[in-house]
Amino acid sequence: QVQLVQSGAEVKKPGSSVKVSCKASGGTFSSYAISWVRQAPGQGLEWMGRIIPILGIANYAQKFQGRVTITADKSTSTAYMELSSLRSEDTAVYYCASERGHHYDYWGQGTLVTVSS
Amino acid sequence: QSALTQPPSVSGSPGQSVTISCTGTSSDVGSYNRVSWYQQPPGTAPKLMIYEVSNRPSGVPDRFSGSKSGNTASLTISGLQAEDEADYYCSSYTSSSTYVFGTGTKVTVL
Repeated sequence: QVQLVQSGAEVKKPGSSVKVSCKASGGTFSSYAISWVRQAPGQGLEWMGRIIPILGIANYAQKFQGRVTITADKSTSTAYMELSSLRSEDTAVYYCASERGHHYDYWGQGTLVTVSS
Repeated sequence: QSALTQPPSVSGSPGQSVTISCTGTSSDVGSYNRVSWYQQPPGTAPKLMIYEVSNRPSGVPDRFSGSKSGNTASLTISGLQAEDEADYYCSSYTSSSTYVFGTGTKVTVL
């Protein structure tokens, strides 16, 4: 069984960047993709992008192209999501999720990112 | 990529059945059997309930079932129970090799 543990809550200024980590244990890190999904307060889920660690290849939702970077460190079984040029609308809980067969079977606990001046 | 369309809310009494629709396009739901459903109680991470349109992961009660017709997928909860009260989201793979979630549906047990 895969367990995903994310880094803690962050408070950021508008225009800055945030980097959230997602450490995997159990299973084989390289055998699945890791996706990032966010949820603004009171809103629905929004897919941001994913990475296939064994290939190091990432792809992103068009909405976040140029502003999000997803990476993975196979040596530590950790995935990262960095979002730049933060604005207040980026205030949300950010989740990582393991993806096998085009669905998300395990989720991290979520990381609250608050963007405020 | 626009979000898949779900009804904002559905409700039912204990023991009844409710169905949640998830409408996409020929570029996502209509083209792939890669539709999944997630349950999210307040303040918690989503939980996988259905994958590949109609498959249940181990541990999910068989009163949860999924189907698809054309560009619309559906999740049915039979024998509704109080513990089923939560938000539900569908998700689909798309022709752009990305994913899209539904707008979400709040299930209320009366």
